[in-house]
Amino acid sequence: AQKVTQAQTEISVVEKEDVTLDCVYETRDTTYYLFWYKQPPSGELVFLIRRNSFDEQNEISGRYSWNFQKSTSSFNFTITASQVVDSAVYFCALSGTGANNLFFGTGTRLTVIP
Amino acid sequence: EPEVTQTPSHQVTQMGQEVILRCVPISNHLYFYWYRQILGQKVEFLVSFYNNEISEKSEIFDDQFSVERPDGSNFTLKIRSTKLEDSAMYFCASTQSGLAGGYEQFFGPGTRLTVL
Repeated sequence: AQKVTQAQTEISVVEKEDVTLDCVYETRDTTYYLFWYKQPPSGELVFLIRRNSFDEQNEISGRYSWNFQKSTSSFNFTITASQVVDSAVYFCALSGTGANNLFFGTGTRLTVIP
Repeated sequence: EPEVTQTPSHQVTQMGQEVILRCVPISNHLYFYWYRQILGQKVEFLVSFYNNEISEKSEIFDDQFSVERPDGSNFTLKIRSTKLEDSAMYFCASTQSGLAGGYEQFFGPGTRLTVL
């Protein structure tokens, strides 16, 4: 069974602070995929990143970076120098071998205070 | 840039009524999905669809639900007899391939269903 845990329900930071959103997953599949999606107040789901289980290289995209650690089953997301526009709910998700359906975590609501 | 579209954006219905939610996936995509998100909760998988049949479904997707691809572009979710607890945002998604898993799913903007 697939499971994604996002223990942080809500986080508030002041603009320009760095913030890390935690994601811990469980799966029995040897090949699996991890995702982060952003859901702004408007409600749509915006894809941010995909990582497969064989690629533990960290990734940086502008102010966003992701730290994938198989040893701790974690796929954490860091926003550097946060901005008000980063305020949203962020979902971590997992899909396994042979099936594309996504298992989402409960999300972390990030509020960036100006 | 191609995108998934959904209509209507908001649907209000009376309990017990049938509703059909419509989606137009990205044109060269082969796998289609429905998810739902009850207000303030996580996004939950309902069903996946490929080659004109259901690939997988969750335990939420009971006999009240059905999906169809009536033509080459639309993908619909029907709820036969709506219940109060069906009130949620329903997201359609599509992806180019699903054979190996792990492809990015492109989500539509959602249909907010309110059952009174």
